[in-house]
Amino acid sequence: GQNIDQPTEMTATEGAIVQINCTYQTSGFNGLFWYQQHAGEAPTFLSYNVLDGLEEKGRFSSFLSRSKGYSYLLLKELQMKDSASYLCAVRVWGTDKLIFGTGTRLQVFP
Amino acid sequence: GAVVSQHPSWVICKSGTSVKIECRSLDFQATTMFWYRQFPKQSLMLMATSNEGSKATYEQGVEKDKFLINHASLTLSTLTVTSAHPEDSSFYICSASTGDTNEQFFGPGTRLTVL
Repeated sequence: GQNIDQPTEMTATEGAIVQINCTYQTSGFNGLFWYQQHAGEAPTFLSYNVLDGLEEKGRFSSFLSRSKGYSYLLLKELQMKDSASYLCAVRVWGTDKLIFGTGTRLQVFP
Repeated sequence: GAVVSQHPSWVICKSGTSVKIECRSLDFQATTMFWYRQFPKQSLMLMATSNEGSKATYEQGVEKDKFLINHASLTLSTLTVTSAHPEDSSFYICSASTGDTNEQFFGPGTRLTVL
């Protein structure tokens, strides 16, 4: 079966750092994606990890540990516009299918 | 590049009618398109995978006779919600992949409201 868990909601302060965790148990793994989604809009791609380790992309970094079935998205120097939902998604081995996690709603306060 | 459009962006219909939603890849050929449904404050749920020229593959629990998917060309897939009911009201999002990259490119979504 497929099970991908994230915290439902998080809050943080402008300028701070926040880490959003994602744990997964899937039948086959071929990469993990993080997407940002503002209310009423489509998800936008943030990062992709297929090997263990940290991928850095400006203010956003994503980490993967395949042995632990664990990933996190790190957002630095938070801005008000970072208030959104963050979706973790696992690509199923042998397909292009993405299975999405429950999503984390992040609210950034001044 | 890699733009995906959806039409309409929103639609309101009466219960019992059918609604067609189009998903187009504007500047690339999409070997595979995906259809998702998202209820308020929930994550995306994959409904079906659509490959050009072949029948769609539906996820468990999704009625293929109710959600008709046609992938007639490498740039167009359509989702038809047949005999829509209020519980079908949702945000429907498509995505497309070329098969060459790791990414799925998402459309802007279609908000369906069934009265």
